[in-house]
Amino acid sequence: AQTVTQSQPEMSVQEAETVTLSCTYDTSESDYYLFWYKQPPSRQMILVIRQEAYKQQNATENRFSVNFQKAAKSFSLKISDSQLGDAAMYFCAYRRGSGGGADGLTFGKGTHLIIQP
Amino acid sequence: DTEVTQTPKHLVMGMTNKKSLKCEQHMGHRAMYWYKQKAKKPPELMFVYSYEKLSINESVPSRFSPECPNSSLLNLHLHALQPEDSALYLCASSHQTLRGGPNSPLHFGNGTRLTVT
Repeated sequence: AQTVTQSQPEMSVQEAETVTLSCTYDTSESDYYLFWYKQPPSRQMILVIRQEAYKQQNATENRFSVNFQKAAKSFSLKISDSQLGDAAMYFCAYRRGSGGGADGLTFGKGTHLIIQP
Repeated sequence: DTEVTQTPKHLVMGMTNKKSLKCEQHMGHRAMYWYKQKAKKPPELMFVYSYEKLSINESVPSRFSPECPNSSLLNLHLHALQPEDSALYLCASSHQTLRGGPNSPLHFGNGTRLTVT
C-alpha cells in the first residue's frame, strides 16, 4: 500500500517570502503521479501542481514549483512571493499510474499554511 | 467557480432519515468519486465509479449507498446514519482511459457538510 507523509502540521510565512512544504511517499510502483492540492476555508480542493513520476524535470506553475526527488521519494512544494490568498490547508497526494485513471488519490495529513501580513 | 456541482451545500438529518447527496459534472469525465472528510483530516476515499460501474468500495458501511445513473451524475444515498458519520462529503471526477495511459487530476466539488443528529 502507498503512504504519503507530510511532517509539518503547520507552517507560517511572511507575505512576499518563500516557503517550502515537504512531502515524502512510499510506493513499490514505478508508474505514478504526485499532486499538491490546496483547501481554503471555502472547502473546495483545488489542484496546485502535478508531477508525473517518469518526468525528471520538476513541474512549475507560476509561483508554485516542486522539488521531485524520485530516489528519495520526496516531493516538496515551494511557494514563492507568498500571498494572503495562499493561506490554506495543503495536501500532498499520490496516485498510481497503472489503474487507467480511476484509483482515487492517497492523501497526506496536510500542512496548514498561514500567511502573515 | 467549480465544474463539479454538489447539492445540497449543507444537510442536517436525523438517524432515522433517508436523504441523498447529489453530484454533477459536464466535463466528459468517466471516473467519479466520493470522499469523506472529517475536520482537520485529509479526505478518505469511499467509492469510485468507472464508466458508470462501481469499481472501488473502500469497505464503506451499507448505510451509504452510491449510485451513478449516467456519466454526468453521481448520487450518495444515506439511510440510518450515525452521529459519527457527520463530515464533509466531497465528490470528484476525472478523465479515465480504458487501457490506462495518461492520468489526470481529480476535480473536486465544494462538498456537502452533513450533520447527523
